[in-house]
Amino acid sequence: SQTIHQWPATLVQPVGSPLSLECTVEGTSNPNLYWYRQAAGRGLQLLFYSVGIGQISSEVPQNLSASRPQDRQFILSSKKLLLSDSGFYLCAWGIAGAPEQFFGPGTRLTVL
Amino acid sequence: GNSVTQMEGPVTLSEEAFLTINCTYTATGYPSLFWYVQYPGEGLQLLLKATKADDKGSNKGFEATYRKETTSFHLEKGSVQVSDSAVYFCALVYNQGGKLIFGQGTELSVKP
Repeated sequence: SQTIHQWPATLVQPVGSPLSLECTVEGTSNPNLYWYRQAAGRGLQLLFYSVGIGQISSEVPQNLSASRPQDRQFILSSKKLLLSDSGFYLCAWGIAGAPEQFFGPGTRLTVL
Repeated sequence: GNSVTQMEGPVTLSEEAFLTINCTYTATGYPSLFWYVQYPGEGLQLLLKATKADDKGSNKGFEATYRKETTSFHLEKGSVQVSDSAVYFCALVYNQGGKLIFGQGTELSVKP
């Protein structure tokens, strides 16, 4: 069966520091991968998605970036965090041609 | 553009009460529709889905029917339990593998 992992689970970082969040999927090949952010108030917003290694599409302009160095690995990064980057970051995967997406446990990021 | 509107919460019910959470959508074409559930501090779990008009998704006693004529996908459960307390998200995806568009979420609290 497929599983999705995210780490760290929680992170507290000062403003201006770098960020690296990691997501890995097991049990499937060539998944579509997604990064969402859930800000206070619970709305979810798609940040990035990837349909293959090295292929990244950005949905919103921001100081975040994403990379997919391996088939089942998706990384969310920032060079300098802002207070507004605080939130709950969720990675998701899906199968090409299928509509549903499956979410990881999330990373709670607090920028102070 | 595509959007999802959910009834505002919080919704507070007594155990064994009937649940309805309203969801309506705006989309071009024929999106797939989903309900996700988020328990405190966790990621989103896919609860049920429907991919075409008149489909009924069901899982764990929850049901929702894809109503194209009213552009709705209301979530129902005949008898809620305390363990159903969570935030429920209605979502759509227009293209297979495309981005999920979420409603704002509805918090459900079930009291014993």
